[in-house]
Amino acid sequence: KQEVTQIPAALSVPEGENLVLNCSFTDSAIYNLQWFRQDPGKGLTSLLLIQSSQREQTSGRLNASLDKSSGRSTLYIAASQPGDSATYLCAVDNNAGNMLTFGGGTRLMVKP
Amino acid sequence: NAGVTQTPKFQVLKTGQSMTLQCAQDMNHEYMSWYRQDPGMGLRLIHYSVGAGITDQGEVPNGYNVSRSTTEDFPLRLLSAAPSQTSVYFCASSYSNGVSGSEAFFGQGTRLTVV
Repeated sequence: KQEVTQIPAALSVPEGENLVLNCSFTDSAIYNLQWFRQDPGKGLTSLLLIQSSQREQTSGRLNASLDKSSGRSTLYIAASQPGDSATYLCAVDNNAGNMLTFGGGTRLMVKP
Repeated sequence: NAGVTQTPKFQVLKTGQSMTLQCAQDMNHEYMSWYRQDPGMGLRLIHYSVGAGITDQGEVPNGYNVSRSTTEDFPLRLLSAAPSQTSVYFCASSYSNGVSGSEAFFGQGTRLTVV
């Protein structure tokens, strides 16, 4: 059974700092890995999707990397802003679009 | 663009009542799924569908039924609500390119309280 772990569970940083969120998974036979953002009381917004054949994806200040063999992914946020405050979720897909297994999330607070 | 639409947004049920959570997507996605989100447990898969007429169970299917008669709709039915089903429910859709799958699009959630 796939298990996904996110470290740290919570993170508080001053504005402007670069930061890294970590995600690890136990079964490396994944089709893709996706990072989501969730604001309090809201749904999930997709940030980045990394296919199993890719090593990284970038969108603006966000960069996600994937190392399938070691079962790890990182989400790098450059020059953090208070608007980045949210919970970040990592999810792996073992069934080509069907069944996501989620980590517990990292709750990020960026202080002005 | 509507994307994935869930109704209702909030619902309070009494123990033993039944209800249907609605989910509709307008992206012609083959795959749809239901998750529940609980504090300390994260998001867990309840049921999923790979196309009209085809459904299967996820990690926590007990107490829930689904059917998929059209590509657009994937309702989740609670047969006899229990307090343990108090949760936030999310519907998601995605498509397959035959190789690696697409990003998943989520609805805004239904917050259900069973008293």
